[in-house]
Formats: sequence, C-alpha cells, structure tokens
Amino acid sequence: QKEVEQNSGPLSVPEGAIASLNCTYSDRGSQSFFWYRQYSGKSPELIMFIYSNGDKEDGRFTAQLNKASQYVSLLIRDSQPSDSATYLCAVDGSSNTGKLIFGQGTTLQVKP
Amino acid sequence: DGGITQSPKYLFRKEGQNVTLSCEQNLNHDAMYWYRQDPGQGLRLIYYSQIVNDFQKGDIAEGYSVSREKKESFPLTVTSAQKNPTAFYLCASSSGGNIQYFGAGTRLSVL
Repeated sequence: QKEVEQNSGPLSVPEGAIASLNCTYSDRGSQSFFWYRQYSGKSPELIMFIYSNGDKEDGRFTAQLNKASQYVSLLIRDSQPSDSATYLCAVDGSSNTGKLIFGQGTTLQVKP
Repeated sequence: DGGITQSPKYLFRKEGQNVTLSCEQNLNHDAMYWYRQDPGQGLRLIYYSQIVNDFQKGDIAEGYSVSREKKESFPLTVTSAQKNPTAFYLCASSSGGNIQYFGAGTRLSVL
C-alpha cells in the first residue's frame, strides 16, 4: 500500500516566522509532488508542485524535494495569520494514471 | 470564467435513497476524479476517469457509481449500499502533469 505521511499537528508558529511542513512517501517511483492548502470548510487549493530534486521557490513558499530520502517539505517564510490552514501533501502513484495519494494533512496555526 | 462546478453545496440523504452529486468543468481537461474527505483526514479516491466513456475504481469505490458520457461532466451517485456516506465530496480535474484542480465540494449528510 503506497503511503504518504504527514504530522497532523497542529504546528504553531508566531507571525513572521518560518513554518516548516514535512512529508514522507513510500513509493520510490513517484515523480511528482504537490502541496495543497485547505482552509476550514473549503476545498484544497494548489500552492506548489515540484518534480526535481532540490528547491523550488514561489514568493514566500519554497518546496524542497529529496527523492533519495523520499522526503518533501514546504517552507513558508514570513508566516501570516492568513496562512493558518491545513496543508496537504500529495504524491503521484507512479503508475501513469494521474492518480494522487494524499497525506492526512498538517494543520498550521500562525499566531499574531 | 473557467473552473470546476460542483452542485449542490449541501445534500441530505434519506436511508435507502440514492443521491447524485454533479461535477462540471469547462477547462477542457481530459481527466476527472472524485474524492471523499472525512473530518481530520486526507482525501481518498473513489473513482477516476482519464477519458470520455471510460472510468476506473479508486480505493473506496464500493457503494458509489459514476458515468463519463461527456468530457465536461463526471457525476457521482452515492447508492444505498454506501452505509456511511456522510463526508465532504470533492471533484477534481487534470490536463496532465498530474496537476489536479478542485471544485468547491459537496457536503453530504444523512437524515
């Protein structure tokens, strides 16, 4: 059974700090990795995707991928209260079906 | 205005009743997906379709059925065989690269 693991949290950081969200996955064949943000009661919103080892930056967000360690992370710089949400990590199932496997999500709380 | 439209936003099911959740997209995406989300949980795949007139079971297909007669539409029926249907149902679509975009969701409850 292919798995994606996240710490459910909550992760609490003060406003302006760096929030670090982590995700591990079991399938070594996975090629694409996604971070979604989900506000309470709302649907997931794509915020980052990464395909290659290393870092990918987009504004205050940085996704980091280490395929050898089967580890993907999301850094949020200068965290704002509006970043408070659940962050879902998703990984492709490596079977060329377009299917994604989701972690249970990490709840982030940014305190003013 | 491109996007994925799910309706209704809220739905109530009586015992023994089948209900159908609508998902329509105007993004010209080939692939569509249905997920179920329970409180505090991640998303679990119910069914997916990569092309019109073809669909595949996901991890939790029992008690659900789908059709894909048009590229734009992928309705999900929750049948009476699904004994625990209360959940948040999410439809997604994708044009490739495994990038999926979600509709606003339908919240289903049992009366």
